[in-house]
Amino acid sequence: EAAVTQSPRNKVAVTGGKVTLSCNQTNNHNNMYWYRQDTGHGLRLIHYSYGAGSTEKGDIPDGYKASRPSQENFSLILELATPSQTSVYFCASGVPGEISNERLFFGHGTKLSVL
Amino acid sequence: KTQVEQSPQSLVVRQGENCVLQCNYSVTPDNHLRWFKQDTGKGLVSLTVLVHENDKTSNGRYSATLDKDAKHSTLHITATLLDDTATYICVVGDRGSALGRLHFGAGTQLIVIP
Repeated sequence: EAAVTQSPRNKVAVTGGKVTLSCNQTNNHNNMYWYRQDTGHGLRLIHYSYGAGSTEKGDIPDGYKASRPSQENFSLILELATPSQTSVYFCASGVPGEISNERLFFGHGTKLSVL
Repeated sequence: KTQVEQSPQSLVVRQGENCVLQCNYSVTPDNHLRWFKQDTGKGLVSLTVLVHENDKTSNGRYSATLDKDAKHSTLHITATLLDDTATYICVVGDRGSALGRLHFGAGTQLIVIP
């Protein structure tokens, strides 16, 4: 089974501070995604990547940067964290292809609190 | 504007009972629809994917239907177990590849009690 590992699992940050969320997958998946999940809302796409060196803006990229230095690693960076970025962040990886075979694999999430 | 609406928001059933979760959407085009299970504090795990008009799928005690004309899907869970306690999330993909966007519902929280 594919594994996606996020770190840290929990993070408390101060307003204005820099936060880096890390994601690692060991299954050689080309595509990786960062989502945030807020109560009462579906997951929303922040940034995604098609492979090493590539980052693309999702639906809510403002206030976030992404970095894909290798096939395995995809980071989400909050340069100046704000309380509105308090959320649970999920990383996912996937293999493009026929929908019936395509699957997305999610990490366990990072709970971020910005005070 | 929310494009994927799930109902009910939450549901409590007794172990052994059956339940039905609903998903209505307005995503266009609607290439496929997937149901995920999310245990508390965990990531999403895919249960099933529906692709074609009037598709029906079955995965153990989970079965799902899709009506693309009505833009509606249901997830049936039969003979619920305590381990079925989780949030069930409906996701609509607007393209048949990873280049497409996924539109997530807010989920139905299912609680199974003894």
